[in-house]
Amino acid sequence: DAGVIQSPRHEVTEMGQEVTLRCKPISGHDYLFWYRQTMMRGLELLIYFNNNVPIDDSGMPEDRFSAKMPNASFSTLKIQPSEPRDSAVYFCASSLGVVTEAFFGQGTRLTVV
Amino acid sequence: ILNVEQSPQSLHVQEGDSTNFTCSFPSSNFYALHWYRWETAKSPEALFVMTLNGDEKKKGRISATLNTKEGYSYLYIKGSQPEDSATYLCAFMNTGFQKLVFGTGTRLLVSP
Repeated sequence: DAGVIQSPRHEVTEMGQEVTLRCKPISGHDYLFWYRQTMMRGLELLIYFNNNVPIDDSGMPEDRFSAKMPNASFSTLKIQPSEPRDSAVYFCASSLGVVTEAFFGQGTRLTVV
Repeated sequence: ILNVEQSPQSLHVQEGDSTNFTCSFPSSNFYALHWYRWETAKSPEALFVMTLNGDEKKKGRISATLNTKEGYSYLYIKGSQPEDSATYLCAFMNTGFQKLVFGTGTRLLVSP
């Protein structure tokens, strides 16, 4: 397996624009996680899915953020409208179980200007 | 809010030195403790998943211990090498939250 695949690797957008980040988890993994990494807060969990169902979205900062997992092999994280303070590296990770090791993608570096 | 603390924040050692870092977490309702290694410009990679009090795990020169009653875990690196330079993250999960809460990491630099 190629591991967790995220796209794009880098995204630069203007304030107010919609941004969509994509993730393909490892095949067979039932859990998918979206994390955001910032200098101030470190690595923080935004939302996670179990068998394509959102389980905990308490980490999603605002209504501007939404995430979907239409099937077992694809998830999106959308920010609409984007703001400069959303600039961060966004990681997707997947795992077999909620307590087992998480495998991270390469991350998407988002810059909102 | 769960608080996961790691110390020291950063560490600079010479090649061949042995070193250790600490991860502190709430001692109640423990479920699991993870250690990850995060190299610059890469993504975090799992080192260990620990679930039982007294657990000791080892992978090559790196080992970890777990004390759930007092709420800490130690990560040890024996004979540090420059390729060990990375940020080491611990992440805690309790039975209530059932999601990983990450510490801010210990940044290790090993000089040749």
